[in-house]
Order: sequence, then C-alpha cells, then structure tokens
Amino acid sequence: AQSVTQLDSQVPVFEEAPVELRCNYSSSVSVYLFWYVQYPNQGLQLLLKYLSGSTLVKGINGFEAEFNKSQTSFHLRKPSVHISDTAEYFCVFFGNEKLTFGTGTRLTIIP
Amino acid sequence: NAGVMQNPRHLVRRRGQEARLRCSPMKGHSHVYWYRQLPEEGLKFMVYLQKENIIDESGMPKERFSAEFPKEGPSILRIQQVVRGDSAAYFCASSPGTGGNTEAFFGQGTRLTVV
Repeated sequence: AQSVTQLDSQVPVFEEAPVELRCNYSSSVSVYLFWYVQYPNQGLQLLLKYLSGSTLVKGINGFEAEFNKSQTSFHLRKPSVHISDTAEYFCVFFGNEKLTFGTGTRLTIIP
Repeated sequence: NAGVMQNPRHLVRRRGQEARLRCSPMKGHSHVYWYRQLPEEGLKFMVYLQKENIIDESGMPKERFSAEFPKEGPSILRIQQVVRGDSAAYFCASSPGTGGNTEAFFGQGTRLTVV
C-alpha cells in the first residue's frame, strides 16, 4: 500500500528561525511527491514537487525539500520563516491516478 | 484563465436535506477530483472523474453520496439526506491529465454545515 506519514501535527517556530516539516512515504513503485500549503480559510496551493532528477527541490516562498530514497523521506525546509508562513502543510503522494494526502502539519510562527 | 471555481463557498443544510456542490475545472482540464476535509484532519480522497466517467470512487461513502462530471457543465457532488457528520470542507481539484508530472489545481472549497 502507498501512503505518506506526517509525524508532527503542530510545529511552533519563532519568526526568522529555520523549520523542517517531516514527511515519510511508503511505496513499492516510482514516487511522485508534493508539498501543498493551505492558508487559513483558503484552498490549497502547490509549494513544490519531486518527479525525478535532482533530489533537492526548490519551491515557492523560499521553501525546499529533499527526496531521500534510502530513508523514504521528503522533508520540507525553510532557513528563515516569516509570520506569513503560518498555514497547514500537506505532504502528498501521487499514485494509482490520485493524490494521497498526509494528515497535515500546522505551522505556527511565533513573533 | 480562471482557476478552479467551486460554489457555493458556504452551504448550510438541515438534517435530511440535499446538498449540491459544484466544481468548474480550469479551462482545458478534463480530470476532476473531490476531497473532503473534516475538522482537524487532512484531506481524504473521495472520487476521481473524467468527462462522463467515474474512474475511481473508492473514497465515496456507499450511500447518499454521488458524483458526476457531465459532457457540458460543472462537476457535481451530491449528498442526499445530509447528517451532522457530513459537515466538512469539500475541495475540488482539476488537472489536464494523469501522471505525477501534471499539477492538480484546487478550488477554494465549499464548507458544508449541517444543522
């Protein structure tokens, strides 16, 4: 079975501090992985995606993620967060012609 | 090019009534997905449709829920005889095709409240 796991349901971080949101996946086939962000009371927006090639993927708003096949991980990172980064972040796996979402990590920025 | 349009944004229904949620995909997109987000939970896949066809409905409850994507017009998610547990945000996404190299674009969602 294919799945994604986000271990941290909530992550509080001080403004301008670095952050890492963890994601692990489980799959026996080729993987396509995404991070989506949901700002309060809004829809979802694609942050970045990994399809193949370079394992370090850069996305919008200064976010990046690294695909690690040996550890089956796709952690999301940002070196310095801003108050506007407060949102819910979803790690997403594409397989069987549909997106499968992790349970989400709520990132709260502390001024 | 307008994004994925969902309406209404907010819908209030009494128990036992019907709820109809509409989704107009982006221009040129023939693939539509519906997801449900319950409070404090992630998004759960419900159904995947192409024009006039249901491809995968493995996430749809067996009763009261149905979806369609006609040749003309928006995709409709229909919930009959709503119950309090149906209260959630329902998101629609569209894409031009399948495969991980095609990005799915999401609408703003419809927030259904059953009173």
